Amino acid sequence: EAGVVQSPRYKIIEKKQPVAFWCNPISGHNTLYWYRQNLGQGPELLIRYENEEAVDDSQLPKDRFSAERLKGVDSTLKIQPAELGDSAVYLCASSFDPGGEGYEQYFGPGTRLTVT
Amino acid sequence: AQKVTQAQTEISVVEKEDVTLDCVYETRDTTYYLFWYKQPPSGELVFLIRRNSFDEQNEISGRYSWNFQKSTSSFNFTITASQVVDSAVYFCALSEASTGTYKYIFGTGTRLKVLA
Repeated sequence: EAGVVQSPRYKIIEKKQPVAFWCNPISGHNTLYWYRQNLGQGPELLIRYENEEAVDDSQLPKDRFSAERLKGVDSTLKIQPAELGDSAVYLCASSFDPGGEGYEQYFGPGTRLTVT
Repeated sequence: AQKVTQAQTEISVVEKEDVTLDCVYETRDTTYYLFWYKQPPSGELVFLIRRNSFDEQNEISGRYSWNFQKSTSSFNFTITASQVVDSAVYFCALSEASTGTYKYIFGTGTRLKVLA
């Protein structure tokens, strides 16, 4: 069974440029998460989807970050415009969590973003 | 507010030594879940264990064991007879729904170095 797929794996952009990350979760997983992981830190949740609905986006900086999960499968996370402080690894995870009770998550390899 | 503390930033052991990684959590909820994840140098977080708040039984899986103690709000992880392949960053995580929807909080991780 294929795991969580993310692309691109690496991205280098100049500040003020836009950038987008794509995630394809494990087939059948209804819940999808986007995390940001800074160097030496644990993942910080940006947004969580249950099917197509964003059920927790309280930590998403909505002035520059946006996300969508059309048809409840793939998801895209966008930053526009990027700032130097956005340099981090962006992780996507999925789980089968029909009751939203906190099941284990399966993570993709992440996208390492460098903003110069 | 929920919080996960992994006070050990980095631990180095020699192969075959036993090592315990500490995790202390804070939550006001009575129903919650605790997790451990492993992040090897390749970067992809791997799920190790999930434990709900009503199950305080210790668990053993091969060389891995987990000790959950609600009295001290701890969920410690022990690796017996460590191996070089155990070298990774290990994260403890908590999910709980005190705010009405499940929140996931990761600790800052403990980097384990197992020396040959």
